[in-house]
Amino acid sequence: AQSVAQPEDQVNVAEGNPLTVKCTYSVSGNPYLFWYVQYPNRGLQFLLKYITGDNLVKGSYGFEAEFNKSQTSFHLKKPSALVSDSALYFCAVRDPYGNNRLAFGKGNQVVVIP
Amino acid sequence: DAGVTQSPTHLIKTRGQQVTLRCSPKSGHDTVSWYQQALGQGPQFIFQYYEEEERQRGNFPDRFSGHQFPNYSSELNVNALLLGDSALYLCASSTLRGQGDTGELFFGEGSRLTVL
Repeated sequence: AQSVAQPEDQVNVAEGNPLTVKCTYSVSGNPYLFWYVQYPNRGLQFLLKYITGDNLVKGSYGFEAEFNKSQTSFHLKKPSALVSDSALYFCAVRDPYGNNRLAFGKGNQVVVIP
Repeated sequence: DAGVTQSPTHLIKTRGQQVTLRCSPKSGHDTVSWYQQALGQGPQFIFQYYEEEERQRGNFPDRFSGHQFPNYSSELNVNALLLGDSALYLCASSTLRGQGDTGELFFGEGSRLTVL
């Protein structure tokens, strides 16, 4: 079965510094990978996805993610973090045999320190 | 363009009771999926409805059931509530038309269920 792992519980970063949130995946077949963000007491908002093509994917709010097949990773990045980026971030992988069924990681709390 | 809407936003039930949660998908979407997000965890897939039928199901007991209506809206029903059913229940919509689309899911704000 497909799965993702987010090894860190919380990521602390100073405002203006680069932000990285790590994700590794395990799938059979080609991976369809996603990043979502969740603000307190809110639903999930889509940030970006990797289906095929360029390994560097650009998404919403200045976020990007790098797909690395050899390391089975899909890390989320932002060159300069904002305080408003403080939220819960989820990596997810789509079931290649089930339409639009996602398996989520446990999430990473990102805290951007002013 | 209305996004995914869910109701109610919060509710409190006691053990053994039954609950119904409702979801209206994003305009143009025909598929509704339900996820359970326990505190401190990622969302877990419950089931998916398309063309008024349950198409896929995650590892949830039969106490969890659903329905999809002709207008694509959906309900999630949970019977014989347990304390462990306390969670945020998220509805997500998408479309299965045009199978070449590998588009993302659009989520609602969720219904937070507390079981006492």
